[in-house]
Order: sequence, then structure tokens, then C-alpha cells
Amino acid sequence: KAGVTQTPRYLIKTRGQQVTLSCSPISGHRSVSWYQQTPGQGLQFLFEYFSETQRNKGNFPGRFSGRQFSNSRSEMNVSTLELGDSALYLCASSPRDLSNTGELFFGEGSRLTVL
Amino acid sequence: QKEVEQNSGPLSVPEGAIASLNCTYSDRGSQSFFWYRQYSGKSPELIMFIYSNGDKEDGRFTAQLNKASQYVSLLIRDSQPSDSATYLCAVKRYSSASKIIFGSGTRLSIRP
Repeated sequence: KAGVTQTPRYLIKTRGQQVTLSCSPISGHRSVSWYQQTPGQGLQFLFEYFSETQRNKGNFPGRFSGRQFSNSRSEMNVSTLELGDSALYLCASSPRDLSNTGELFFGEGSRLTVL
Repeated sequence: QKEVEQNSGPLSVPEGAIASLNCTYSDRGSQSFFWYRQYSGKSPELIMFIYSNGDKEDGRFTAQLNKASQYVSLLIRDSQPSDSATYLCAVKRYSSASKIIFGSGTRLSIRP
């Protein structure tokens, strides 16, 4: 069974640009959640999608947004990039929505560098 | 106060010894607790979860939960160099708006 696939793995952007990251969950998993990982703040929850609906959102500004498609694939977008957005963005899929489980299967992440 | 606190380490343990990793949490409504292992440059992977007070064993790993003290720990017996990684504690409460809160992780180093 294929794992969680994230693309692109690495990307470099400049301040003010926007970026879109993609995540394909494990087959059959309908929950996709996104996390930002930085050395200073650790792993922070961005949002969760289940059956194309955003179920929960973390404490991030509105520049961070996401969506989920009917095939459970998800994208997250960050607009007007700031230097502080440089981080590893991790996508995780789960067989159930996060109100019923904490079992997460993580992808390898997309490492974003903002110059 | 952070919602989930862990000692950042590094925690250095000789090979073959028991490694003890600790985690405290602030939300008394937390209902489930997870330990994820993250190797350097890799993504986290779930190694243990525990819901009830007491101990839960899985191979060389034992998770311990004390809800009264808001404390969860992970013991690794017969530590191996391959156990060297960062261990993330995560907690959640079950509700429609629940989310998983991660600690900042403890870096464990097993010395041969």
C-alpha cells in the first residue's frame, strides 16, 4: 500500500509570492491534516479535512488555506509569503476523522524556504 | 504554559539500558495520548498510543499514563542505537473540534 505522497519535496520562494503544496493520502483514508514544523515551534496543527470539508483549523493567519478534493487528495496554499513561513510542511492521513482517532500517517513533507 | 511539555534533551542513554521519556499536559480533558518517533530528516511515525491509566506494553516499548498527574511517559527497554531519534508526545480530546497537540519532542541518543 502506497504511503502519503507530498509534492513538491523542496521549494524556494521569495517574500510576497504564494505557494501550493499537494498531498495524496493513503488509499482509503479520508482524513487529511496539515502541520507546520519548525525548530522553534515544533509541530503545529494547521487544519484537517474530511470528506472535502474543513473540520478544524489551527491558529494560523488567513494566508494559510486548504482544500480537499473528492478523491481525498488535498492541497494547502500560503499566500503573501513571509520569511517566517519557512518550514517543513507535513501532511498526514488517517483512516477516520480526527474526532475519532489520533493515528496519523505522515508524508515526507514539503520543505519550504522563503527568501 | 505550553499545552504539552517535554524536555528537549538530548537524553543520552547507554546501549542496552532503559530510556525514559516524559511528557506532561495541561488539558485535563485530554483523552488519548500518542508517542511518535521522528528520525532526523524524516517524518514522524506512530509507535504507541494509550487511552487508559496504567501501562501499555508493545515489545520493547511501554507507555505509562497517569491522568491524575497529567503525565505520560515512554520507556524503551534494551535501548539500541537505532532508537536514536526525537520522540514526540501528542495528546487530544475527542470532540468535534478536537485536534492533536504535539510536544516539541525529546531528542534521544543511544551511545554504543
